[in-house]
Amino acid sequence: GAVVSQHPSRVICKSGTSVKIECRSLDFQATTMFWYRQFPKKSLMLMATSNEGSKATYEQGVEKDKFLINHASLTLSTLTVTSAHPEDSSFYICSARDPRNTDYGYTFGSGTRLTVV
Amino acid sequence: GENVEQHPSTLSVQEGDSAVIKCTYSDSASNYFPWYKQELGKRPQLIIDIRSNVGEKKDQRIAVTLNKTAKHFSLHITETQPEDSAVYFCAASPSGFQKLVFGTGTRLLVSP
Repeated sequence: GAVVSQHPSRVICKSGTSVKIECRSLDFQATTMFWYRQFPKKSLMLMATSNEGSKATYEQGVEKDKFLINHASLTLSTLTVTSAHPEDSSFYICSARDPRNTDYGYTFGSGTRLTVV
Repeated sequence: GENVEQHPSTLSVQEGDSAVIKCTYSDSASNYFPWYKQELGKRPQLIIDIRSNVGEKKDQRIAVTLNKTAKHFSLHITETQPEDSAVYFCAASPSGFQKLVFGTGTRLLVSP
């Protein structure tokens, strides 16, 4: 089945620095990937839709300049948290659809736990 | 935009009992409704899904029902086991979009 790899799984960074999270589709090409944020014991909140070769589509209330998304190839999307602050600490998780799967087939990455100190 | 509500937020049952989790959605054009199971610190795992042209779907101990008129769908787990303990999320996919909008989650605890 479709596999989505996300890296790193955990990262600790200092306030003011930037952190890049990678999301890769390993056995399929994904023209679209999705980035979610999840606070402890809360639901998954869609941050943005990453579109290969074009600009990402951000959900209302998500700062584009804060959360930079790049989808330069059909198998890789990156989320960069710029000038991170403690309130950016969260679980970030990506998702992608395998277009070969007619039953929608959303697959999630393993997530990245970001801690900003 | 689409809004998905989920109830209850927590559910405790005895092993062997049935568990029911309910969700409502706001966008009548939404056409795909998956259910995910998430264990602590892990990625969500799809357990069952249903499309808007189907009223019910079953997979062993798990079933999902959809009422398009009322705009609600439910997850039914029969013969619950301790390993069913996790957080369950419903989601809806608005028509014409590829994204998923998630419910608030239900923490299910199955006691031996």
